[in-house]
Amino acid sequence: EAQVTQNPRYLITVTGKKLTVTCSQNMNHEYMSWYRQDPGLGLRQIYYSMNVEVTDKGDVPEGYKVSRKEKRNFPLILESPSPNQTSLYFCASRENGKDTQYFGPGTRLTVL
Amino acid sequence: GQSLEQPSEVTAVEGAIVQINCTYQTSGFYGLSWYQQHDGGAPTFLSYNGLDGLEETGRFSSFLSRSDSYGYLLLQELQMKDSASYFCAVRDADSNYQLIWGAGTKLIIKP
Repeated sequence: EAQVTQNPRYLITVTGKKLTVTCSQNMNHEYMSWYRQDPGLGLRQIYYSMNVEVTDKGDVPEGYKVSRKEKRNFPLILESPSPNQTSLYFCASRENGKDTQYFGPGTRLTVL
Repeated sequence: GQSLEQPSEVTAVEGAIVQINCTYQTSGFYGLSWYQQHDGGAPTFLSYNGLDGLEETGRFSSFLSRSDSYGYLLLQELQMKDSASYFCAVRDADSNYQLIWGAGTKLIIKP
């Protein structure tokens, strides 16, 4: 089944404790992206990647890191999480040049 | 800067027709997409308009007028399962062709 998977789905952590949210897609998509969703603000892009070893900042990259060592994986790293990073995070992928984005199930992160 | 405006909430009756509007302000418009998101779920793609006019997919249609910087999503024969949030998103050349998202419209359907 074609899908985007994220792990973990839920995470409660404390300020300053490094964490990684994994994202993997099995559709051989070149493009992958991370978003955060907060009430009333819609989806805001954190980072995106057009292909392996190519990453770019989105609208809200501060406090986040990403890497794209393989085509299928695009992990999101929070080196020192803070409470303002409490949010719902979505990973998405698509073929380059196409408009349909496929989203993972989301990761609800709470930073205390 | 870029911005998208859509109503925060729309209420309709089962079986009826509802239209969700989206107006945008961008410097380098490239296309308008619509996504559906049920509570607790992930956004799923509904439609895309790159050119002016109407695109129809079953009970859902989407319209674009580039001269008016305006589009809408039309849902016909509403079903209770259509209760969800609907997001318009614009691909903007000035944002390196990344999607800029509206805040979403919560569609409430009453029996």
